Amino acid sequence: RKEVEQDPGPFNVPEGATVAFNCTYSNSASQSFFWYRQDCRKEPKLLMSVYSSGNEDGRFTAQLNRASQYISLLIRDSKLSDSATYLCVVKINNAGNMLTFGGGTRLMVKP
Amino acid sequence: DAGITQSPRHKVTETGTPVTLRCHQTENHRYMYWYRQDPGHGLRLIHYSYGVKDTDKGEVSDGYSVSRSKTEDFLLTLESATSSQTSVYFCAISEFSGAVNYGYTFGSGTRLTVV
Repeated sequence: RKEVEQDPGPFNVPEGATVAFNCTYSNSASQSFFWYRQDCRKEPKLLMSVYSSGNEDGRFTAQLNRASQYISLLIRDSKLSDSATYLCVVKINNAGNMLTFGGGTRLMVKP
Repeated sequence: DAGITQSPRHKVTETGTPVTLRCHQTENHRYMYWYRQDPGHGLRLIHYSYGVKDTDKGEVSDGYSVSRSKTEDFLLTLESATSSQTSVYFCAISEFSGAVNYGYTFGSGTRLTVV
């Protein structure tokens, strides 16, 4: 079983739609959680950190459920520019400050 | 954005030749990482460094070596390139303070083709 699992998609949604991605992680000792965005042929970029209390950044909302070991990302009012791959990322307690990446969920927003 | 650059951006090399990729940072971050990204596998850690001359293996380290003689530079060497090492290689840096993890900042990547 992969340590961080995501539905690869693609999720095809119209502009203005609300879309949600989930991600599950297997290690209950996981400490920190992030969502990264990766555009085609580009490097991943940090979208937002995920806090226990949940957090919102504009149209983006991230939630963490430690009991069920999943993380979610909600995008409201989707824009064409939101088309990308979204990576769920988890830090497991380790000395190297290493992050473990999910395989990514691809989002395609259509006009 | 943090100052992190990778070189070269693209490289084509022949099987059996050694190849060195360079990652350079201007942020004085302690941690540096090399990942490869392949379709169906996502990002996989090759090696990482937690300080000058301090390195350790990641998930897919076979066939790769690294060196970090200065804080700002982290080199990845493919000792004898094989076609299975054709991939996109990303360098990343991070800082970590107590219980706070600030995530990674990635370089733009190196597209390596081994023919």
